[in-house]
Amino acid sequence: AQSVTQLDSHVSVSEGTPVLLRCNYSSSYSPSLFWYVQHPNKGLQLLLKYTSAATLVKGINGFEAEFKKSETSFHLTKPSAHMSDAAEYFCVVSDRGDDKIIFGKGTRLHILP
Amino acid sequence: DGGITQSPKYLFRKEGQNVTLSCEQNLNHDAMYWYRQDPGQGLRLIYYSQIVNDFQKGDIAEGYSVSREKKESFPLTVTSAQKNPTAFYLCASSMGLAGGIQETQYFGPGTRLLVL
Repeated sequence: AQSVTQLDSHVSVSEGTPVLLRCNYSSSYSPSLFWYVQHPNKGLQLLLKYTSAATLVKGINGFEAEFKKSETSFHLTKPSAHMSDAAEYFCVVSDRGDDKIIFGKGTRLHILP
Repeated sequence: DGGITQSPKYLFRKEGQNVTLSCEQNLNHDAMYWYRQDPGQGLRLIYYSQIVNDFQKGDIAEGYSVSREKKESFPLTVTSAQKNPTAFYLCASSMGLAGGIQETQYFGPGTRLLVL
């Protein structure tokens, strides 16, 4: 069975400082892993996706994530936060083996001026 | 512009009423999905369809129904059997079939349903 845990429900960083949003997963098969972003009252937008190619995945808006199988983690990072990054971020795991998709409960990112 | 549209943006339902949420896409995607989002709970899959005239239940299908008569459209009906329908509903689509549920999904702007 698959699951995904976002370790922080809220993260606050100052503008211009690094961002780290943590995600751990479990999967019985070869997972695909995603990070999506949601601005208030909007739909979700894909930031990046891992599908068993390069373990370091680069996404839009300067975000990247590293797949670490030994740690079952897929943490999202950005070197320098911008005010426009304030939003909710979802880590998602999907297995072809059982045809399921599981969303994490989300991490709300706050950017302090 | 290619994309997914959901209407209405806000919808009010009286007790005992069925309501239908619209979802249309012009991305030529085969697969479409409905999710429910509640505060602090992430998204939960209600129904999905990988091809016209076929659909599967997700994790929380009870009290909901769907149809997929056209590739572009995947309406969701919230029936009176759904006891706690107040939520934000998101529709998504993906290219479908070959990649299955592992494919990147593209989301609409959502419909917020409120029970009066």
